[in-house]
Amino acid sequence: QQQVKQSPQSLIVQKGGISIINCAYENTAFDYFPWYQQFPGKGPALLIAIRPDVSEKKEGRFTISFNKSAKQFSLHIMDSQPGDSATYFCAAPGGWGETSGSRLTFGEGTQLTVNP
Amino acid sequence: DTGVSQNPRHKITKRGQNVTFRCDPISEHNRLYWYRQTLGQGPEFLTYFQNEAQLEKSRLLSDRFSAERPKGSFSTLEIQRTEQGDSAMYLCASSLGALAGRIDTQYFGPGTRLTVL
Repeated sequence: QQQVKQSPQSLIVQKGGISIINCAYENTAFDYFPWYQQFPGKGPALLIAIRPDVSEKKEGRFTISFNKSAKQFSLHIMDSQPGDSATYFCAAPGGWGETSGSRLTFGEGTQLTVNP
Repeated sequence: DTGVSQNPRHKITKRGQNVTFRCDPISEHNRLYWYRQTLGQGPEFLTYFQNEAQLEKSRLLSDRFSAERPKGSFSTLEIQRTEQGDSAMYLCASSLGALAGRIDTQYFGPGTRLTVL
């Protein structure tokens, strides 16, 4: 069973700053690690995902850094904007073997507030 | 918009009543998932379908919960004899399925918020 621990629980940054959210996982049976963004009253939306064969993936202002040996991955939001204020969840596939398409185990979430 | 849709968006019911939610996945997606999310928590997996076959169920899915995907398209989640502890957001997600070298992304619907009085 996959366990995912996410920190911090909440984060406040100033506009233009860098937001950093961390996740640690236990199970080594995986094939990707996604980050989801959720606004109040909405379903989670995929933000960015990384495969374990790369150490970093960047899409616009969002970057995932992956440390396989430490079993950790993090989300960096550069030039944070008030519109980025949302709850962010890391996740990991929870099954063994064919993990792609199986359940996702989510972290507890990080509530990000970007002040103008 | 051809994303995942869920109906109803909100449901208020009295304890002991039965409720049913519907999820329409993205067309061509053969995998469909149900999750439950309570306030301040991440989504928790409930069950998963590959086409019409229910392949995995969580221990969270008590015998009062039943899910179906009769023709491998839309899915329903029924909760019988609802309890106040069932109050949550019920999320549906769909994915295309695992293909070599490709991340099998799960796309979520807007959810159905259930309130049990």
